[in-house]
Amino acid sequence: GAVVSQHPSRVICKSGTSVKIECRSLDFQATTMFWYRQFPKQSLMLMATSNEGSKATYEQGVEKDKFLINHASLTLSTLTVTSAHPEDSSFYICSARDPGGVETQYFGPGTRLLVL
Amino acid sequence: GQNIDQPTEMTATEGAIVQINCTYQTSGFNGLFWYQQHAGEAPTFLSYNVLDGLEEKGRFSSFLSRSKGYSYLLLKELQMKDSASYLCAVLDSNYQLIWGAGTKLIIKP
Repeated sequence: GAVVSQHPSRVICKSGTSVKIECRSLDFQATTMFWYRQFPKQSLMLMATSNEGSKATYEQGVEKDKFLINHASLTLSTLTVTSAHPEDSSFYICSARDPGGVETQYFGPGTRLLVL
Repeated sequence: GQNIDQPTEMTATEGAIVQINCTYQTSGFNGLFWYQQHAGEAPTFLSYNVLDGLEEKGRFSSFLSRSKGYSYLLLKELQMKDSASYLCAVLDSNYQLIWGAGTKLIIKP
């Protein structure tokens, strides 16, 4: 299957700072990437759909000014959590859609964010 | 509204067979996915069904009945490493993935 990487895998930051998370498709070009958040023992929650070369589409309740998404190339999407607060602490996972015709999403390994 | 139902938790014995059910009500249907997620890790793709019937892939099989809005994931010869959450997801008419809450599978020796 397609390989998606994510960096960093784990980050601890102070409240009020910004954190950037990178998502890369390593062996294919992804016109569409997805950003999810998952709190402990809960299901995946889609935050936004990132389309290469255009603005991201955010899900209801997700603040676009707080969670900045940039999909500048076919292999890279970034999520920046601005002015992070402790309640933003979560597991952030990106995925990229298989370009081969089947709508399979392949996930990156995730980034665990802890805001102190 | 759109809805995916799957059991919250199941327990099975090593070496046995377990079936995890998923029922769905969505606006349109463009396929159903099963993903495996180990604790603290991201989901990994297991299977995709878009036509009725059984798809077999090694120890794992996935079944779909579109008329019943029903799927199941069958795991045979269970191993301890199969302890994980299993997520059912449906692609709706807008090609949006609708996720179930996941079934936590506990394997006992």
